[in-house]
Amino acid sequence: QLQLQESGPGLVRPSETLSLTCTVSGGSINNTDFYWAWVRQPPGKGLEWIGSISHSGNTYYSPSLKSRVTITLDTSKSQFSLQLSSVTAADTAFYYCTREMFTSGWDLDCWGQGTLVTVSS
Amino acid sequence: QSVLTQPPSVSAAPGQKVTISCSGGNSNIGNNYVSWYQQFPGTAPKLLIYDNDKRPSGIPDRFSGSKSGTSATLAITGLQTGDEADYYCGTWESRLTKGVFGGGTKLTVL
Repeated sequence: QLQLQESGPGLVRPSETLSLTCTVSGGSINNTDFYWAWVRQPPGKGLEWIGSISHSGNTYYSPSLKSRVTITLDTSKSQFSLQLSSVTAADTAFYYCTREMFTSGWDLDCWGQGTLVTVSS
Repeated sequence: QSVLTQPPSVSAAPGQKVTISCSGGNSNIGNNYVSWYQQFPGTAPKLLIYDNDKRPSGIPDRFSGSKSGTSATLAITGLQTGDEADYYCGTWESRLTKGVFGGGTKLTVL
């Protein structure tokens, strides 16, 4: 059964770069049917899609975050990563890694448990 | 401000039926499939409905989805207290090439 697990610092200083990694197990990260995405959720608020990456490295980014976001893929480690630069308190959120499907519709069919990242000095 | 519009909250009694609406536009719901997600407090969202009306394995048929034009609806019949959760609709926004969600609807089973 596919499992995703986020890892990374829970506290980031303002103006620094947030870095998270998602480890995929129980399935192939090279599967051409899927993209790998990041979604965040500020505490008590709704979901926000950040961006995604394909097995070949093709990326989509949310326009509102595009200037600060980089998503990369390491197939040898079955991992994909998120970097968000110049963070502020507004970037404090639960960050989820997900598997994204584009086969017919757009769906996020498998989610990590999420990790809380707090931006504070 | 979410691209997709959902009511902030809905409520109904156990055993009853409730519907949650999700309204968008031509560049999102109007030309793409809709998915629905269920989220319990302190946990990750879970895919509930995909491709407008399909259920992943393990999702009871009490949950159903539909789409008409630029709106979608999630229906839950035979409500149980265990259905109390937040529900989100989602779809692809073709004009901006991004995934978008509704603001979420909190379901209370009275």
